[in-house]
Amino acid sequence: AQTVTQSQPEMSVQEAETVTLSCTYDTSESDYYLFWYKQPPSRQMILVIRQEAYKQQNATENRFSVNFQKAAKSFSLKISDSQLGDAAMYFCAQETSGSRLTFGEGTQLTVNP
Amino acid sequence: DAMVIQNPRYQVTQFGKPVTLSCSQTLNHNVMYWYQQKSSQAPKLLFHYYDKDFNNEADTPDNFQSRRPNTSFCFLDIRSPGLGDAAMYLCATSRDLGSHEQYFGPGTRLTVT
Repeated sequence: AQTVTQSQPEMSVQEAETVTLSCTYDTSESDYYLFWYKQPPSRQMILVIRQEAYKQQNATENRFSVNFQKAAKSFSLKISDSQLGDAAMYFCAQETSGSRLTFGEGTQLTVNP
Repeated sequence: DAMVIQNPRYQVTQFGKPVTLSCSQTLNHNVMYWYQQKSSQAPKLLFHYYDKDFNNEADTPDNFQSRRPNTSFCFLDIRSPGLGDAAMYLCATSRDLGSHEQYFGPGTRLTVT
């Protein structure tokens, strides 16, 4: 069974600074997708960034980038130039067969002005 | 512009009293998912529909059922809610299996008294 682990229940960052959220996963599949989703308070979960496992290049979306280490089964999210609107719960997720998502426990990110 | 709509946003039911949560989508996506998210935990997939094909997760309790009468709507029925079923229930859609992106609704928070 796939597992996704986020070891940081809470993180905080100063506005305009950089923060990295950690995620590790376990899978026996050779090709798979990894995701970071953002869940703001009382709002729906939205996709932040996606990485396909067979692509060696790390995905980037504006201020968001990942450090994907396939051998180590590590998938961290870096948020640069943090903004107040980045405050949310962040979930790391892995897509398994049948497009099922397995989520980590989440990291609550606080952005301090 | 709402894409995945869940009604109601908050639902209170009594122990053992059947309850139905609804989800609708304006995206015309083929796949619809239901997740259960208990407080401070990761969302957990209950089941999904690919078109009219229903796919139940192995560990989803029999107390949970789902219906998809047409492409746009999907319902989650809890036949006899217990206190342990209190949670946020998230509906999500994706264009197809293998689309590698899910669109989430805002969720329905279920309280069982």
